[in-house]
Amino acid sequence: NAGVTQTPKFRILKIGQSMTLQCTQDMNHNYMYWYRQDPGMGLKLIYYSVGAGITDKGEVPNGYNVSRSTTEDFPLRLELAAPSQTSVYFCASTGGRSHGYTFGSGTRLTVV
Amino acid sequence: DAKTTQPNSMESNEEEPVHLPCNHSTISGTDYIHWYRQLPSQGPEYVIHGLTSNVNNRMASLAIAEDRKSSTLILHRATLRDAAVYYCIPFWNNNDMRFGAGTRLTVKP
Repeated sequence: NAGVTQTPKFRILKIGQSMTLQCTQDMNHNYMYWYRQDPGMGLKLIYYSVGAGITDKGEVPNGYNVSRSTTEDFPLRLELAAPSQTSVYFCASTGGRSHGYTFGSGTRLTVV
Repeated sequence: DAKTTQPNSMESNEEEPVHLPCNHSTISGTDYIHWYRQLPSQGPEYVIHGLTSNVNNRMASLAIAEDRKSSTLILHRATLRDAAVYYCIPFWNNNDMRFGAGTRLTVKP
């Protein structure tokens, strides 16, 4: 099915470890986003991209990095994991603001 | 960004209509109004969006006030599966879709 695919679904990291959360969409969308959602809270925008090679910071970018080498892929990198990064991470994409956003099913990350 | 005000929670009976209100009094003329919902332990799901006119789709209807300072998401017959947090998000810039706290809808059998 067409949509946004996130991997892995679950991950436990130790403090100081690094990892990459993968996000792929097959809808040829230019716009892609990373959000995090802490328990019981709303979503916060981490980074976004308006096309291949173009990325920018959202509300809460500290501790994260992104890249966008292709239209399909938008990986999120955590370099030095901290307990404050324990959260559920959602990737989303859209063809533009006059279209709906499609979200992935999320990656649940725990840093211990 | 347009500020939004939604009730923290609402309750509905199964198979009855539900009207979920949203105030966005600072909305600008170019802001689209999007609605999403998030079922327990799932990612947000697109419901509907509009600019000025009322909109209908298979999931819901969106009624937008003439002055655009408020909108109402209408679920015509609530089911248990509609229990979720509903987010109203006005925005104009694709770089800036931000989620508030939303309305938690409980559907009673």
